[in-house]
Amino acid sequence: AQSVTQLDSHVSVSEGTPVLLRCNYSSSYSPSLFWYVQHPNKGLQLLLKYTSAATLVKGINGFEAEFKKSETSFHLTKPSAHMSDAAEYFCVVSGRTSGTYKYIFGTGTRLKVLA
Amino acid sequence: GAVVSQHPSWVICKSGTSVKIECRSLDFQATTMFWYRQFPKQSLMLMATSNEGSKATYEQGVEKDKFLINHASLTLSTLTVTSAHPEDSSFYICSASGQAAYEQYFGPGTRLTVT
Repeated sequence: AQSVTQLDSHVSVSEGTPVLLRCNYSSSYSPSLFWYVQHPNKGLQLLLKYTSAATLVKGINGFEAEFKKSETSFHLTKPSAHMSDAAEYFCVVSGRTSGTYKYIFGTGTRLKVLA
Repeated sequence: GAVVSQHPSWVICKSGTSVKIECRSLDFQATTMFWYRQFPKQSLMLMATSNEGSKATYEQGVEKDKFLINHASLTLSTLTVTSAHPEDSSFYICSASGQAAYEQYFGPGTRLTVT
């Protein structure tokens, strides 16, 4: 069975400083992993995805994530936070259950960016 | 590509009435569609999975008679909340997967308020 754990429910950073949002996963086979961002009262926007190609994945808006199998981690990073990055971030693993792929969501990390 | 729309984006209805939410895949054929519910400051909760022409598969604890799902074509799924009550007020999000079954594309969500 697959599972995902987001290690921080809230993260605060100052504008212009690095962002690190942590995600650990559990999977019995090579997983597909995703990071999504959700701004208030909006739907989910895909930031980036890992599907067994390059372990360092670059996404939109300067975000990237590194798949580390030995650590079962897929942490999201950004070198310099912007005020517009303030949002909820979800780490997701895609797993197959009874013949259907389903998403398993993390509990989310709320990113606050301080001026 | 891979755009999913939802309609309406926001709806208010009176207690006891029914409301229908539409989810459409605009530029691809959706073999599977998913309906999620999201409470404030929480992660997404999968309600049901549907394949075109088949009955929906509901997650444990979701009332199938209350949340009617129809997936009549490869581009359209509908969620009908029957006899709505204030506790059904929530943010409902649909998603769809196509040929790459491991990845879902999300609609922008529908905010339902039951008065």
